[in-house]
Amino acid sequence: KAGVTQTPRYLIKTRGQQVTLSCSPISGHRSVSWYQQTPGQGLQFLFEYFSETQRNKGNFPGRFSGRQFSNSRSEMNVSTLELGDSALYLCASSPPGIAGGQDTQYFGPGTRLTVL
Amino acid sequence: AQSVTQLGSHVSVSEGALVLLRCNYSSSVPPYLFWYVQYPNQGLQLLLKYTTGATLVKGINGFEAEFKKSETSFHLTKPSAHMSDAAEYFCAVSEIGKIIFGKGTRLHILP
Repeated sequence: KAGVTQTPRYLIKTRGQQVTLSCSPISGHRSVSWYQQTPGQGLQFLFEYFSETQRNKGNFPGRFSGRQFSNSRSEMNVSTLELGDSALYLCASSPPGIAGGQDTQYFGPGTRLTVL
Repeated sequence: AQSVTQLGSHVSVSEGALVLLRCNYSSSVPPYLFWYVQYPNQGLQLLLKYTTGATLVKGINGFEAEFKKSETSFHLTKPSAHMSDAAEYFCAVSEIGKIIFGKGTRLHILP
């Protein structure tokens, strides 16, 4: 099975711009989660989508949003970029399992976003 | 709320020596616990996980971890370090729909 794929792998934007990142989960996986990784804050949960619905959300401002399509692919959008948004954004998918989302998450390689 | 504490942001061991990476968790419910590894410029790869049952969990690349409820610990070990083990390791606890990660421990292997 192909793993989780993320596009693009690298992105450079300037302050004030917006950006859209894409994630394709492993075939058959319906849950997609997004994480932000920075040297200072480590790995922080952004949000999780399951069957096109946002099921969980972390403590990030409203500039960070996401969506999931019927084929389980997910996109994450960040509007009005700030310097502090520079980070590695990781997407993870989980196989169908018991309710509660405590299944193993499989991570993609990430998108490295640099905001200038 | 659940949380994870990893003791030591950097750990150095000699090649062939025992690897021990420490992790303590806080959870109000029986936890699902994970160890992930991240190599430079890559995503996270699952090493092993504990859900229920046997408290000694074996993972990939010769790693194992033991769940100790009384100590709220889930330390990662490997009997003999290899140069290829140099990476960053993350302990994590699962909550509904998300994973709470520790700050990570960077493992250095000395020749």
